[in-house]
Amino acid sequence: SAVISQKPSRDICQRGTSLTIQCQVDSQVTMMFWYRQQPGQSLTLIATANQGSEATYESGFVIDKFPISRPNLTFSTLTVSNMSPEDSSIYLCSVVGDFSETQYFGPGTRLLVL
Amino acid sequence: GQQLNQSPQSMFIQEGEDVSMNCTSSSIFNTWLWYKQEPGEGPVLLIALYKAGELTSNGRLTAQFGITRKDSFLNISASIPSDVGIYFCAGQQAGGFKTIFGAGTRLFVKA
Repeated sequence: SAVISQKPSRDICQRGTSLTIQCQVDSQVTMMFWYRQQPGQSLTLIATANQGSEATYESGFVIDKFPISRPNLTFSTLTVSNMSPEDSSIYLCSVVGDFSETQYFGPGTRLLVL
Repeated sequence: GQQLNQSPQSMFIQEGEDVSMNCTSSSIFNTWLWYKQEPGEGPVLLIALYKAGELTSNGRLTAQFGITRKDSFLNISASIPSDVGIYFCAGQQAGGFKTIFGAGTRLFVKA
């Protein structure tokens, strides 16, 4: 299975600011995704990070609020822009490997917006 | 939209008891996945199921892919305190990896 790391692991931010979360995988992967998990809730897909092109966003999520980059097959970033307290969540990077259709998750970034 | 109905929502059991949880949907899935999430961690994959009727074990865990492809269950035998966590079922449909997650089953084990 792929080893996925995320930075930062947690942060406390002021409203109106932006935070960029990094996801690094130890091997090349076919697909990378970003999920949000609000307190006590299940996982909601934000977008699919596409290498070298614009991410594909799910309904309710827009590029201006959650810009995503994926410059290569092992790295992606998610930015949470102009944050409000409602953005307080765990943000999770997820991958599907080149040789497996199984989906794995990173440890998550815990964000608290004051 | 598509939904997975996961039950029970939570379980309070005694150490040593067996546990069963399940997911159902009105849609057909090609893959069923079961994850466990502990506090402060991301979900960790427990079992992946790829064929209708498939029964797969991982230690004390056993999961089955329903014949109708619309449901799956996870059993934990002889529970121990470290089984505490949130268990999520997840389904994937043909042609993509848009994984849909259940709401989770919160398991509490009393020693």
